[in-house]
Amino acid sequence: AQTVTQSQPEMSVQEAETVTLSCTYDTSENNYYLFWYKQPPSRQMILVIRQEAYKQQNATENRFSVNFQKAAKSFSLKISDSQLGDTAMYFCAFLSGNNNDMRFGAGTRLTVKP
Amino acid sequence: SAVISQKPSRDICQRGTSLTIQCQVDSQVTMMFWYRQQPGQSLTLIATANQGSEATYESGFVIDKFPISRPNLTFSTLTVSNMSPEDSSIYLCSVGSGANQPQHFGDGTRLSIL
Repeated sequence: AQTVTQSQPEMSVQEAETVTLSCTYDTSENNYYLFWYKQPPSRQMILVIRQEAYKQQNATENRFSVNFQKAAKSFSLKISDSQLGDTAMYFCAFLSGNNNDMRFGAGTRLTVKP
Repeated sequence: SAVISQKPSRDICQRGTSLTIQCQVDSQVTMMFWYRQQPGQSLTLIATANQGSEATYESGFVIDKFPISRPNLTFSTLTVSNMSPEDSSIYLCSVGSGANQPQHFGDGTRLSIL
């Protein structure tokens, strides 16, 4: 079974600075998809960014980008120019390309300080 | 992406009672899922709600405790039966538009059992 590991339970960053959240996963599959979700205190899960395993190019969405290292099974999220509204729980997620099985990491609580 | 409405947003219940949570989507979706998020924890998949047939439950979850209905492609319910304080959690509905697509989530239901 696939597992997703987020080794940083909590992180903090100063407003306007850059922070990187780490995620590693374990799978024997070659076809899969990776996602980062944000869960602010309002508790809604919001999709931040996605990465297809077959793509070598790292995904980018405005201030959010990923560093996808397939061989190392690593999928980190970089947030540039951090804003107060980025304060939230961030979950890394793995989706198998063979079924609808989505697995989530334990989450990283990010606090952006003014 | 689809607009997902989940009701109630929160409730406080007495132990031994049951509560039904509703999930309504503004468009037809292929897949609907129910997750549990215990305090300070990640998301755990309870079951996949299948239209026109019985839900598919994950290990550790059973139909008698968490009966699920999905009468059509836009609506599903999750019932938490015979509740105990251990059932205090956030319950989230999510939808998927197809294979290999990210899931999108409702706002969740915060359930507290006294």
